[in-house]
Amino acid sequence: DTEVTQTPKHLVMGMTNKKSLKCEQHMGHRAMYWYKQKAKKPPELMFVYSYEKLSINESVPSRFSPECPNSSLLNLHLHALQPEDSALYLCASSQEQGAEQYFGPGTRLTVT
Amino acid sequence: QKEVEQNSGPLSVPEGAIASLNCTYSDRGSQSFFWYRQYSGKSPELIMFIYSNGDKEDGRFTAQLNKASQYVSLLIRDSQPSDSATYLCAVNNWQAGTALIFGKGTTLSVSS
Repeated sequence: DTEVTQTPKHLVMGMTNKKSLKCEQHMGHRAMYWYKQKAKKPPELMFVYSYEKLSINESVPSRFSPECPNSSLLNLHLHALQPEDSALYLCASSQEQGAEQYFGPGTRLTVT
Repeated sequence: QKEVEQNSGPLSVPEGAIASLNCTYSDRGSQSFFWYRQYSGKSPELIMFIYSNGDKEDGRFTAQLNKASQYVSLLIRDSQPSDSATYLCAVNNWQAGTALIFGKGTTLSVSS
């Protein structure tokens, strides 16, 4: 089973809202990732967690705040977003950092 | 700046033909190489990964890696209309602690 789940599937939020995206995997993977993808562009890495510790932060604005409560869960907390943050947000996991990554279905975020 | 280059396409092939997708990368220290398929509006799906020079076959798909030439390719035999998608090449130099680097993708169109 190579399933990564993400909730919600769609999210519309105002610029003053606070919301969270959730990601879960039960494959025993120790690395989890957040990506942002705009239309007709490749995924753009935001954060990497390895063994529940933040490993890579690709200079993402502080209005995005990741959290890894345990080895199966990954959250992305959103606050005071801008309309240009509207995108598909993808979660992925891999056995170890550097191994093949499996993506979840994504959350389609619209900021109004 | 580490780069992964792909021809954006579209690459058009008739049903039943072989589709050949190519990718070059700039980081000579790269160790892991991946091909993802992405349908419009969906998340990337891992279809092949390769770590060693040579060919790796899985069903109708063959990945080829030539580290000396810094070149990786994906062959799709007996192409089907359902193969029509964007194919993303991704490269990783995990020993250097860097993240997965994606190419911009090649759009494949298989006509029936």
